[in-house]
Amino acid sequence: NAGVTQTPKFRVLKTGQSMTLLCAQDMNHEYMYWYRQDPGMGLRLIHYSVGEGTTAKGEVPDGYNVSRLKKQNFLLGLESAAPSQTSVYFCASSYERGAQDNQPQHFGDGTRLSIL
Amino acid sequence: EDKVVQSPLSLVVHEGDTVTLNCSYEVTNFRSLLWYKQEKKAPTFLFMLTSSGIEKKSGRLSSILDKKELFSILNITATQTGDSAVYLCAVGHAGNNRKLIWGLGTSLAVNP
Repeated sequence: NAGVTQTPKFRVLKTGQSMTLLCAQDMNHEYMYWYRQDPGMGLRLIHYSVGEGTTAKGEVPDGYNVSRLKKQNFLLGLESAAPSQTSVYFCASSYERGAQDNQPQHFGDGTRLSIL
Repeated sequence: EDKVVQSPLSLVVHEGDTVTLNCSYEVTNFRSLLWYKQEKKAPTFLFMLTSSGIEKKSGRLSSILDKKELFSILNITATQTGDSAVYLCAVGHAGNNRKLIWGLGTSLAVNP
């Protein structure tokens, strides 16, 4: 059982560079989320998706874009990286249709991103 | 504004001690309250609570919810060094996006 897989695990970028973080889940979950985690700030929601082909803004969406072309994948893009985007990024998924109504979010192991 | 507040922010205990972690919330349209444990990597799910007064238990960990007073506690008995972690509390909205409102966590250090 792979669960939620994030790639890459680590990355160092220069200011202005772009990159895409990939999240893949094999639990047939409808909902997927991207968070960033910073010291003293807790987990903050960047964007989320309630199904294939849908995306929505979370708490801190500026500077990020997302796409959910396939149900199992959720991509997070940084078009022009800034030092303020240095963080640990977590992907999570939840809710298998037909299962019990209340289901927890399951997390990937995170991507540590440094922007110089 | 919805918020989840955890206390204490950090705690240092000795092996064998019992600890109680607190989570209070002000969230409209409450659906559930969740506890997670985070060591070096991903938060891992511990408990989900939806009803008041029903204790959830897993080994030395237990948790209970009070929907009237809007709080939950997580108890860990006979602590071990492997319990050292950040414990996160989150509250789920009843809306159909299933978003979670997160607390900042309690950092627990268990010394031998």
